[in-house]
Amino acid sequence: SAVISQKPSRDICQRGTSLTIQCQVDSQVTMMFWYRQQPGQSLTLIATANQGSEATYESGFVIDKFPISRPNLTFSTLTVSNMSPEDSSIYLCSVERGRGTDTQYFGPGTRLTVL
Amino acid sequence: KNQVEQSPQSLIILEGKNCTLQCNYTVSPFSNLRWYKQDTGRGPVSLTIMTFSENTKSNGRYTATLDADTKQSSLHITASQLSDSASYICVVSAVSGTYKYIFGTGTRLKVLA
Repeated sequence: SAVISQKPSRDICQRGTSLTIQCQVDSQVTMMFWYRQQPGQSLTLIATANQGSEATYESGFVIDKFPISRPNLTFSTLTVSNMSPEDSSIYLCSVERGRGTDTQYFGPGTRLTVL
Repeated sequence: KNQVEQSPQSLIILEGKNCTLQCNYTVSPFSNLRWYKQDTGRGPVSLTIMTFSENTKSNGRYTATLDADTKQSSLHITASQLSDSASYICVVSAVSGTYKYIFGTGTRLKVLA
């Protein structure tokens, strides 16, 4: 298994500001992902956080808006930049030890409200 | 187009009763199908993972079935408990060079005393 913590657990931010969300895993993992879950919706993959290289973004998500860092195999950050109310959502970090065939573990999520 | 559809959208049952949630998918090439439970305000937790060759898999009172021919899966909950109140999400994994996860919109289950 994998135990994942996220900071902050929730935040209320002003329009135009940026927020950095941290994801810490209790052991080394190969794959780390960032998801967004809007109210009443299912999860949407933002990007795959690659250790030592640039993240791989899904269609509709760009690095300027959601810069991601992954300095090692247990830690990653997601920044939501120049926020607008449309960015209000839950942001979840998830990890997987083996790609595609292993259990995917999710963090508790960061609930972001943008005013 | 890869899609995962779940039904019903929401469900209310009495404690102790059984229920079945449905998942239909059009995902190719298929790798595996997962069911997750997501409590309010928490991240999803894996219940089962099934590959193409598996027809059924159990995790306590949760039993998932998979019919790869009709591209349907179900999650059966036996003797429901109040703690089963949650959203249940079906996720299908496709593999074409890289893995891709297609998420259903979930079924919101409410168990009443």
